[in-house]
Amino acid sequence: EAGVAQSPRYKIIEKRQSVAFWCNPISGHATLYWYQQILGQGPKLLIQFQNNGVVDDSQLPKDRFSAERLKGVDSTLKIQPAKLEDSAVYLCASSLRFGGVNTGELFFGEGSRLTVL
Amino acid sequence: AQTVTQSQPEMSVQEAETVTLSCTYDTSESDYYLFWYKQPPSRQMILVIRQEAYKQQNATENRFSVNFQKAAKSFSLKISDSQLGDAAMYFCAYKRIQGAQKLVFGQGTRLTINP
Repeated sequence: EAGVAQSPRYKIIEKRQSVAFWCNPISGHATLYWYQQILGQGPKLLIQFQNNGVVDDSQLPKDRFSAERLKGVDSTLKIQPAKLEDSAVYLCASSLRFGGVNTGELFFGEGSRLTVL
Repeated sequence: AQTVTQSQPEMSVQEAETVTLSCTYDTSESDYYLFWYKQPPSRQMILVIRQEAYKQQNATENRFSVNFQKAAKSFSLKISDSQLGDAAMYFCAYKRIQGAQKLVFGQGTRLTINP
C-alpha cells in the first residue's frame, strides 16, 4: 500500500513570496491533517479535513495560510506572503476515518521543508 | 485544552542497554489514545506503540513497552536492548476519541545510541 505522498520535499523562498505544498493521502483515508513542525519542536496542527470539510483550523494563520481538499482526496497548503517564522517542515498525515479504525493512528508523509530567507 | 509534556530534550544510552523516555499529559477526558511516534532523520513519523486509556494493561511491541499510569497522567516508553536504528526523535502524543481528533504532540526527546 502506498504511503502519504508530499511534494516538494524542499523549498527555499524569499520572504513575502508565496509557496504551495501538495499532499496525496493513503487511498481511502477520509481524514487529512496538515502539521507545522518548527525545528526543535513537536508538530502543531494547522488544519484537519474530514473528506472535503474542515474539522479544525483554529491554529491556521488565516491571513496568510490557506488549504483546500478538493474531491476529498488530494490537498494543497498555501502560504502567501511567507514570513521568516514560517520556516519549518510541513507534515501531511491521514487516517482511515474520523478517529481511525479502532486505532486512532495517523500515517505521515516525509514532509516538505520550507526555508524562508 | 490537552497538553503533552516531555521533560527530557535529549537522552543517550549504550547499545544493548535499556532506556526510559518520560511523558506526562493533561486532560479532563476519560477515554483517549496515547502514542509514541519515532521520527528518524528522514523526517517520516512512524508509530512505535499505542495505548488505549480504557485498557489497564500496558502495551508492548517487541522491545518497546509503556508504563501507563492513568491517575498520574504519565505515559513513559521503555526501549529494551537498544539498537543503533533506535536513534531518532521520539514524540509522545495524545488523541481524544470523541469530537475533533487531532493528535497533540509533546516537544520530543532526541535519543542517541552509543555503540
